[in-house]
Amino acid sequence: EVQLVQSGAEVKKPGESLKISCKGSGYSFTSYWIGWVRQMPGKGLEWMGIIYPGDSDTRYSPSFQGQVTISADKSISTAYLQWSSLKASDTAMYYCVREYCSGGSCYSAFDIWGQGTMVTVSS
Amino acid sequence: EIVMTQSPATLSVSPGERATLSCRASQSVSSNLAWYQQKPGQAPRLLIYGASTRATGIPARFSGSGSGTEFTLTISSLQSEDFAVYYCQQYNNWPPEYTFGQGTKLEIK
Repeated sequence: EVQLVQSGAEVKKPGESLKISCKGSGYSFTSYWIGWVRQMPGKGLEWMGIIYPGDSDTRYSPSFQGQVTISADKSISTAYLQWSSLKASDTAMYYCVREYCSGGSCYSAFDIWGQGTMVTVSS
Repeated sequence: EIVMTQSPATLSVSPGERATLSCRASQSVSSNLAWYQQKPGQAPRLLIYGASTRATGIPARFSGSGSGTEFTLTISSLQSEDFAVYYCQQYNNWPPEYTFGQGTKLEIK
């Protein structure tokens, strides 16, 4: 079964650092782009950035550039999203997603979603 | 930055009826448009990609159409499990960005 399994919920204080993870299984992890999507409480979906684990090519949404770091360790089929200094406004559910590819073509849509990691930042 | 605008924000439809959801892009995105369904407490699910192709396992009552700046998701005969929030999402090649619409909540009338 193709799946992305994310790390568990986190409760942090403002100013703390955090790194959450997303482990892929059931497919060739290095051959698909992995992205991150934020959903603030009661709000819509926001694309944060995306990485190609095969060569670590990474792109960021302008809204999140400099605010977070996306990385991947292909040896353990895991992507990461990290913050160096959390703010209360980072409180949200974070999803990792896989870009859909089939028959050698990719379609700029996300077919596999992790279960989400809830991050709560509060003093 | 391409802005995606969905309408209406909330749509009230009776089971068995047809629902039509709209998504407009601020500039052409060709056919690089996807639709997702999200139920409370769940991750979104891919319904449509390439503006009109159903993802694996998606029932035929879901259909997508459009290209350029105007897109539509149609659910031909609503089932109880279809009441959810729907998002459109575009992809732009350069600068590379994926943008979601703000969502349409489909509720039972």
